Amino acid sequence: QKEVEQNSGPLSVPEGAIASLNCTYSDRVSQSFFWYRQYSGKSPELIMSIYSNGDKEDGRFTAQLNKASQYVSLLIRDSQPSDSATYLCAVLQGGSEKLVFGKGTKLTVNP
Amino acid sequence: NAGVTQTPKFRILKIGQSMTLQCAQDMNHNYMYWYRQDPGMGLKLIYYSVGAGITDKGEVPNGYNVSRSTTEDFPLRLELAAPSQTSVYFCASRFRGITEAFFGQGTRLTVV
Repeated sequence: QKEVEQNSGPLSVPEGAIASLNCTYSDRVSQSFFWYRQYSGKSPELIMSIYSNGDKEDGRFTAQLNKASQYVSLLIRDSQPSDSATYLCAVLQGGSEKLVFGKGTKLTVNP
Repeated sequence: NAGVTQTPKFRILKIGQSMTLQCAQDMNHNYMYWYRQDPGMGLKLIYYSVGAGITDKGEVPNGYNVSRSTTEDFPLRLELAAPSQTSVYFCASRFRGITEAFFGQGTRLTVV
């Protein structure tokens, strides 16, 4: 089993819709979870971090964490064409400081 | 504050050549990471370091070496370059604790 898995893409949504991105992880002692956005040809940039079970909201973005299910998700409300990018889930593995990324999900928001 | 600086930005190597990718950060971060990203893929961890003198392997360390003699610098060495090492390489750093990583601008390497 891969350490961090993301739902296979690409994902295409119309402008104004909700985009849902999912991620599962294998290391049960992981404590920190991150969502990065990466535009084509650019470096990843942090969108959200989440450390506790439940939801964390920041503007149009909501991260959800369920440690019992080893699942973390990102919801993007009112999707905009500028949200079109690849979204990377990252997990900081407990004890080792190893930061592991998933394959990424490419999101396209159609005007 | 420059953040994380990678050099060079682009490089073409011939098969069998060696080179060092440089990474420097000026944020006094404890932890540093090297990733490679193949087209359409996520980031694969090559090596990481939790402090000067301490390094550890990631998911894909074969063909690479690292050293960390100072807090600021974390160079990645490629020995005997192979076409399979054609990729974009990212360096990242973060402070201790449950903190996010900051990335450099990447080095695009082509081995021909």
